[in-house]
Amino acid sequence: EVQLVESGGGLVKPGGSLRLSCAASGFTFSSYSMNWVRQAPGKGLEWVSSISSSTTYIYYADSVKGRITISRDNAKNSLYLQMNSLRAEDTAVYYCARERIGTQPWYGMDVWGQGTTVTVSS
Amino acid sequence: QSVLTQPPSASGTPGQRVTISCSGSSSNIGSNTVNWYQQLPGTAPKLLIHSNNQRPSGVPDRFSGSKSGTSASLAISGLQSEDEADYYCAAWDDSLNGRVFGGGTKLTVL
Repeated sequence: EVQLVESGGGLVKPGGSLRLSCAASGFTFSSYSMNWVRQAPGKGLEWVSSISSSTTYIYYADSVKGRITISRDNAKNSLYLQMNSLRAEDTAVYYCARERIGTQPWYGMDVWGQGTTVTVSS
Repeated sequence: QSVLTQPPSASGTPGQRVTISCSGSSSNIGSNTVNWYQQLPGTAPKLLIHSNNQRPSGVPDRFSGSKSGTSASLAISGLQSEDEADYYCAAWDDSLNGRVFGGGTKLTVL
C-alpha cells in the first residue's frame, strides 16, 4: 500500500525549532518529487516547499523562505522539514505529499499523508 | 488573500450539476496547468483533477475540469451527498516561483 506517514509535530514556543519527518512506503520514493503543504486551523491549503527526487530542484514559499529547510534521504525513504524561528502563524497541520510525476512541482500531488500538527505558542 | 480566487461557498441538491470557478492571472493559470483537490471533513486532501481536465484513476467521471485563459472550472454532475467537501484549485506561479492555491470552496449538498 502506498503510504506517507508524518511525525515530529508538537507544541513549540515562538522562536523555537522543530523537525518534521515523513516516512514513505509502498512506492519507489527516490523516483518522486515531494512536497510539504500546511493548513492553519479553519483555513485553506498553503504550499510550503517542494524538492525533486535527486534534490536538484528545491522551492520554498515566500512566507517560510530563510526559516525552513526541506531535505530528503532516499536511502531511508524519508522526507524532512526543518523549521526554525517559528512564529504563531506557522501553527498548522503539515502534510507531506507526493508529486504525481516529473521533477517540477506542477503536475499534481497524488498521495498525501494524514498530517502532523504544529502549534507555536508561548 | 489567495493568489487564485474561488467563491467561498457553493451548493446544490442531489442530482444537480454544480460548477466551481478559479480565477488567476497570466503568471499562473494563464501559463501553467491547473489541479483540483477535494478535502472531505477531517481528512487529508485528495487529487481530483490534474493537468486541467484529467481524472486520476478512481475518480468518478461526474467530476470534470476545464481551463480557459486565466480561469479554470470544476464541474460536478449528478451531485451526491458524499460530494460535500472543500474544493481547492492550484497551479504553479511563474512570478512567485511557487505553487499557489485558491482559498477553497465549501460545497454543501442541500
